Amino acid sequence: AQSVTQLGSHVSVSEGALVLLRCNYSSSVPPYLFWYVQYPNQGLQLLLKYTTGATLVKGINGFEAEFKKSETSFHLTKPSAHMSDAAEYFCAVSGRGSARQLTFGSGTQLTVLP
Amino acid sequence: DTAVSQTPKYLVTQMGNDKSIKCEQNLGHDTMYWYKQDSKKFLKIMFSYNNKELIINETVPNRFSPKSPDKAHLNLHINSLELGDSAVYFCASSQDQTGYGYTFGSGTRLTVV
Repeated sequence: AQSVTQLGSHVSVSEGALVLLRCNYSSSVPPYLFWYVQYPNQGLQLLLKYTTGATLVKGINGFEAEFKKSETSFHLTKPSAHMSDAAEYFCAVSGRGSARQLTFGSGTQLTVLP
Repeated sequence: DTAVSQTPKYLVTQMGNDKSIKCEQNLGHDTMYWYKQDSKKFLKIMFSYNNKELIINETVPNRFSPKSPDKAHLNLHINSLELGDSAVYFCASSQDQTGYGYTFGSGTRLTVV
């Protein structure tokens, strides 16, 4: 079974500041890890994913995340926040083989202050 | 072309009614899902179908019944709607292999009054 914990249900940053959204996972098998973004009244859009290989993953809109097995973490970062980044962000994990159900964290609401 | 489309986008109905939400994907994916997002934004899987076969059926009331006429369609029928069914329901699809992630529809906001 897999699970993810997102630390901080609300994060506020100033425009131009570093964005750091935290995600820790639990998985009995090597996981696949994802970050999704949800803008108001919209569906979920894939930002980036880690499957195998390079542990630093780059996604859309300048976001990136690093898979750290020793810390069971997959934190999402962006060097400089834009107002348009304000949204709900979800970390998700899936297993492999028959355990590929996608399990989501509880979400982090990112607010960008002018 | 919309990859995963859901209809309707909004649904307001009275308690006790029966309603359906339709989902179609044109990505050629083998697996489709229904997720429920509650008022606190928490996403929970309800059902999953692979090539028209039910493979995940989480603990949801029997009033919820999914139907997959073919691998491109997964509909959700809800009987005897209750106030607690109010939520946003998302359809998603994925390729059969792991690691590709899901493609989500834009959601159906169900309000039961």
